[in-house]
Amino acid sequence: EPEVTQTPSHQVTQMGQEVILRCVPISNHLYFYWYRQILGQKVEFLVSFYNNEISEKSEIFDDQFSVERPDGSNFTLKIRSTKLEDSAMYFCASGPGTGSAQPQHFGDGTRLSIL
Amino acid sequence: SQQGEEDPQALSIQEGENATMNCSYKTSINNLQWYRQNSGRGLVHLILIRSNEREKHSGRLRVTLDTSKKSSSLLITASRAADTASYFCASGYSSASKIIFGSGTRLSIRP
Repeated sequence: EPEVTQTPSHQVTQMGQEVILRCVPISNHLYFYWYRQILGQKVEFLVSFYNNEISEKSEIFDDQFSVERPDGSNFTLKIRSTKLEDSAMYFCASGPGTGSAQPQHFGDGTRLSIL
Repeated sequence: SQQGEEDPQALSIQEGENATMNCSYKTSINNLQWYRQNSGRGLVHLILIRSNEREKHSGRLRVTLDTSKKSSSLLITASRAADTASYFCASGYSSASKIIFGSGTRLSIRP
């Protein structure tokens, strides 16, 4: 069964450094998402991406964040200047159709630790 | 906030018993979804119920939706050790592509 894959599984970065989290969504999916989950807390929506542009973003997704689909298969999340509070699990998801009424398929996440 | 809370926050039951988890939300939805998260893993979609549906079944799962009370419940029948996980509801809105997650219920199945 096709799955969403994320790399790396764990990223340790010094505060202030840039970090890029990578995802390979399921190949025939059209919608792509990033979520984060701070330890022990709820899963929070960051951004959705469709047709090569951001379709929605949350208030968490400020100017420090950006997303890109550089080559038609990868979907990346960049944090320009990391802060301690960016430490969290970051999940990529993809969905087959338009809108929220479709199941989303999640990767196993990247644990980001900011020192 | 568009999403409410889930209760209980944690639930521990004996293997073979039924587990019921509840979810509330604050604004009108297009659909409500339930996901499972095993420790250290991503979320796995379980079931989606649309706002015009009241009940849906999938194997040992039964989901109900009461739009008048803005609430949903997930029932897992004949629980197994492998059902130990966190369970999250997520609200979908017709004007949006995103889904908004609740705070989750940690379910533990005792052998």
